Amino acid sequence: QLQLQESGPGLVKPSETLSLTCTVSGGSISSSSYYWGWIRQAPGKGLEWIGTIYFSGSTYYNPSLQSRVTMSADTSKNQFSLKLTSVTAADTAVYYCARHFLSEYRYPYPDYWGQGTLVTVSS
Amino acid sequence: QSALTQPASVSGSPGQSITISCSGTSSDIDNYNYVSWYQQHPGKAPRLMIYDVSNRPSGVSNRFSGSKSGNTASLTISGLQAEDEADYYCRSYTSSSTVVFGGGTKLTVL
Repeated sequence: QLQLQESGPGLVKPSETLSLTCTVSGGSISSSSYYWGWIRQAPGKGLEWIGTIYFSGSTYYNPSLQSRVTMSADTSKNQFSLKLTSVTAADTAVYYCARHFLSEYRYPYPDYWGQGTLVTVSS
Repeated sequence: QSALTQPASVSGSPGQSITISCSGTSSDIDNYNYVSWYQQHPGKAPRLMIYDVSNRPSGVSNRFSGSKSGNTASLTISGLQAEDEADYYCRSYTSSSTVVFGGGTKLTVL
């Protein structure tokens, strides 16, 4: 059974860097059949795509966050990570990591999600 | 990139059918069949319900169906059940090789 688990600080100070890790069990992030990614949801708001990564290291970021986001993958630990710099209160959200399967058209869709982790930006 | 446009809320009685619309532009829905829909119950992670406009993942009830016409995608739920009450989000690929979500629709089962 595939499981994804987000981990990282629940409280980050303004202007600092938010760092989260997604640990995958029951499957390999090195599989060529999947992409991996991050989505967030501010309290009471909708879903926002942050970015997607392939095990080879290819990354795709939300243009509105691109200057502050870095995603990476550690295949030896079966983990992938998110770093978001210069955070503000607007970055307060539940952050989800998700596996993305490839459809018949070879386009990735998130199908397995972690439970999400709330990150609050506050001094 | 602007979010896709969804109605804030829709409602229906048990057994009825409802449709949730998702309006985009020529930069996303109109030119790509990479539209998906997600169901989210309070406090839970989203669940994939429809992908590639109209395909259902294994395990999703055939009461859920998707379609697209021009720059508008739609999710239809037939035979509405109490457990369908949730928030629903559409998602599309864009011409910038990015992803955009809709603002979400709250479905109330009366």
